[in-house]
Amino acid sequence: EAGVAQSPRYKIIEKRQSVAFWCNPISGHATLYWYQQILGQGPKLLIQFQNNGVVDDSQLPKDRFSAERLKGVDSTLKIQPAKLEDSAVYLCASSLDTGAYEQYFGPGTRLTVT
Amino acid sequence: AQSVTQLGSHVSVSEGALVLLRCNYSSSVPPYLFWYVQYPNQGLQLLLKYTSAATLVKGINGFEAEFKKSETSFHLTKPSAHMSDAAEYFCAVTSGYSTLTFGKGTMLLVSP
Repeated sequence: EAGVAQSPRYKIIEKRQSVAFWCNPISGHATLYWYQQILGQGPKLLIQFQNNGVVDDSQLPKDRFSAERLKGVDSTLKIQPAKLEDSAVYLCASSLDTGAYEQYFGPGTRLTVT
Repeated sequence: AQSVTQLGSHVSVSEGALVLLRCNYSSSVPPYLFWYVQYPNQGLQLLLKYTSAATLVKGINGFEAEFKKSETSFHLTKPSAHMSDAAEYFCAVTSGYSTLTFGKGTMLLVSP
């Protein structure tokens, strides 16, 4: 069974530029998550999708971050414009359903904003 | 509201020694608890989870954790550390209806 795929693995941009990350979850998983992991901290949920719909985006900085999940499968997370404090690893995860189901994580995208 | 506190950002053990990583949680409803491991430049991998069945939970790679409601704890243990156990470990909690809340992580260092 293929795992959660993410690309790119690494990205370096200058502040005020835009960037996009892509995630392909495990086939059949209804729930998709985007987390931000700042160095030295645990992952923080940015947004959770259930199929096509958004379940929780309360911690997504909506003035600069946006995310979509087309057709309930792949997802993209965009930052525009980027700030220095956006430097982090962005993790995508998926699970069969919401709640206490195991989340499977991708390898992450390490973003450096200079 | 729910939260997780992991005591000690770094824990150092010798190979063959007992591993003990501490996790305390706060939850207003019965919790589901998880331990994840993260190796360098990789995503998180589930070690074990507590979902209100047996209080002693066994996971992969010889790890286990015990749910203690009276102490609001879910500490992770392994009888004998291996060099390959060196990684960062995260405890996480959910009510089952809420999103997963992670602790700040504990880096496990294993020396020969």
